[in-house]
Amino acid sequence: GNSVTQMEGPVTLSEEAFLTINCTYTATGYPSLFWYVQYPGEGLQLLLKATKADDKGSNKGFEATYRKETTSFHLEKGSVQVSDSAVYFCALREGNKLTFGGGTRVLVKP
Amino acid sequence: DTGVSQNPRHKITKRGQNVTFRCDPISEHNRLYWYRQTLGQGPEFLTYFQNEAQLEKSRLLSDRFSAERPKGSFSTLEIQRTEQGDSAMYLCASSLSTGTDTQYFGPGTRLTVL
Repeated sequence: GNSVTQMEGPVTLSEEAFLTINCTYTATGYPSLFWYVQYPGEGLQLLLKATKADDKGSNKGFEATYRKETTSFHLEKGSVQVSDSAVYFCALREGNKLTFGGGTRVLVKP
Repeated sequence: DTGVSQNPRHKITKRGQNVTFRCDPISEHNRLYWYRQTLGQGPEFLTYFQNEAQLEKSRLLSDRFSAERPKGSFSTLEIQRTEQGDSAMYLCASSLSTGTDTQYFGPGTRLTVL
């Protein structure tokens, strides 16, 4: 079956640091890939997505590239802010349902 | 705001009781999904509707769980004879099958079974 593996947190870093969250997936076909973010006390929000190999999704300074050869979709941001503190979920969609990773908590300190 | 809404936001119940949650999707969205999220984990798919038809159910959805979407708009998720293991956040999402079919999530209903 499909699965998503992402690095465990928490990830603690200072403001303006570079952030990378690794995500790899297993799928039988060619899924669409997503990053969702959950800010404290809020619901899941779509951060970015990519629907085919080599696509790059980007939003709010975050980027992720769909790498079919390594089955990866790593999330990156060049300079994080305190407001980026949240839990980040990598997910794939094959068919009509999303399969999520376990989430990575990110804490950005001033 | 016309996002996905869920009610109630919190529910505390005693083991053995029945509970029902409601989800109102984004208007015009024809697809509706239920997920369950336990503490420290990612959401897990439970079931999915296209209009009023329930098209897919996870093996996680035991016989005690039932979901409906009678008129193709709002949906309800009922859990009968609740157990402590049912304690979780129940998330609803909706999407439009034409176009990107991106799923948008509601704030969730947090269930605590005592």
